[in-house]
Amino acid sequence: DGGITQSPKYLFRKEGQNVTLSCEQNLNHDAMYWYRQDPGQGLRLIYYSQIVNDFQKGDIAEGYSVSREKKESFPLTVTSAQKNPTAFYLCASSKDTDTQYFGPGTRLTVL
Amino acid sequence: QKEVEQNSGPLSVPEGAIASLNCTYSDRGSQSFFWYRQYSGKSPELIMFIYSNGDKEDGRFTAQLNKASQYVSLLIRDSQPSDSATYLCAVNLPLSGNTPLVFGKGTRLSVIA
Repeated sequence: DGGITQSPKYLFRKEGQNVTLSCEQNLNHDAMYWYRQDPGQGLRLIYYSQIVNDFQKGDIAEGYSVSREKKESFPLTVTSAQKNPTAFYLCASSKDTDTQYFGPGTRLTVL
Repeated sequence: QKEVEQNSGPLSVPEGAIASLNCTYSDRGSQSFFWYRQYSGKSPELIMFIYSNGDKEDGRFTAQLNKASQYVSLLIRDSQPSDSATYLCAVNLPLSGNTPLVFGKGTRLSVIA
């Protein structure tokens, strides 16, 4: 089955910890994206990558880091510099910069 | 100026009625328009896309695009309680360069049985 997978589904982080969220796709899409969604809010773009080994900051990149070493994978690290990381994190991919398809999401909670 | 705007709702309609969801955008050069549905606690799923002026129908859903007025609408006929969700409008903004789609904040639809 082709699609986008995110893991874990739920993640708990202690204060001062870095955590990494996984996003994998087997759709052969060139572009991948990370969004953050807070309760009752819209999607906010964190980072995106249009090609392997290249990525750009979105609107709220501070406290986050990414890598794009493989076309299929775009992991997101939430660093300790992100002061309010509790949110729903969504990964998406697209063939170009057009139609995006979303993974199931990771819900991160800070303890 | 907000680039993609939607009324946050909630929009309440009775079961069987037509739900009309609207979205306006700022970039006159926009060419691609998308509607996503997001159930509470789930990720967005693509419902429809439209590229040309006019109407595009898919089952109970109709997307309407008016580039001159810079708005795109989604009509849901014979609304069902299972249609209750948040609907996100997304637009490409070519004047902003080769950037990702811009999403509106979404309209929450509630279909009352």
